[in-house]
Amino acid sequence: QSVLTQPPSVSGAPGQRVTISCAGSSSNIGAGYGVHWYQQFPGTAPKLLIFTNAKRPSGVPDRFSGSKSGTSASLAITGLQAEDEADYFCQSYDITLGDVFGTGTKVTVV
Amino acid sequence: EVQLVQSGAEVKKPGQSLKISCQVSGYNFTNTWIGWVRQMPGKGLEWMGIIHPGDSDSRYSPSFQGQVTISADKSINTAYFHWTTLKASDTAIYYCARAGSLEADYFDYWGQGTLVTVSS
Repeated sequence: QSVLTQPPSVSGAPGQRVTISCAGSSSNIGAGYGVHWYQQFPGTAPKLLIFTNAKRPSGVPDRFSGSKSGTSASLAITGLQAEDEADYFCQSYDITLGDVFGTGTKVTVV
Repeated sequence: EVQLVQSGAEVKKPGQSLKISCQVSGYNFTNTWIGWVRQMPGKGLEWMGIIHPGDSDSRYSPSFQGQVTISADKSINTAYFHWTTLKASDTAIYYCARAGSLEADYFDYWGQGTLVTVSS
């Protein structure tokens, strides 16, 4: 079990906005470490979606946005599309455990 | 174009050793941290360790320290992940990934993954 907790699943209709939370503690996110997000489709390698809390790599649509507040972070997907159906993982640094990934969230477009 | 190409799938027996590889191209291998991530069947991602090929400085997750070894060969732009004694619980997909910053706090490019199956 990870020290970064995400909801197992979130769902939304096409066009809606969904958010994925990444709950940490004062030993990781709350200590000021950056949060990064990855998208993974079944059978493929993860892809960097957001780095250092809110920055988007080149080529990532601006429908994806990240934020951080206190001991948690969030990934928002606006204008949800069928192609966004995937697993999403947050990542940060923990003072005791080092680099860690979140538990992962499956996004379903209903 | 940045590329990380991993070695092919492996099937091993418990107790055997194994080394898998990750050959990179399209960037300066020597100056950039490269790491390894495990994904057990149907599970999430686990950060295992990273290495700086320039000086072979390496860091491991406490969960994997002492159980695996990460190395790099600058002459052929290749990173390695090595087990001396495999266990059935090592069955997983292993990804190599390039660090996206000097602080090596996130990965911006990933290999395609190597499936390792350990079974008697």
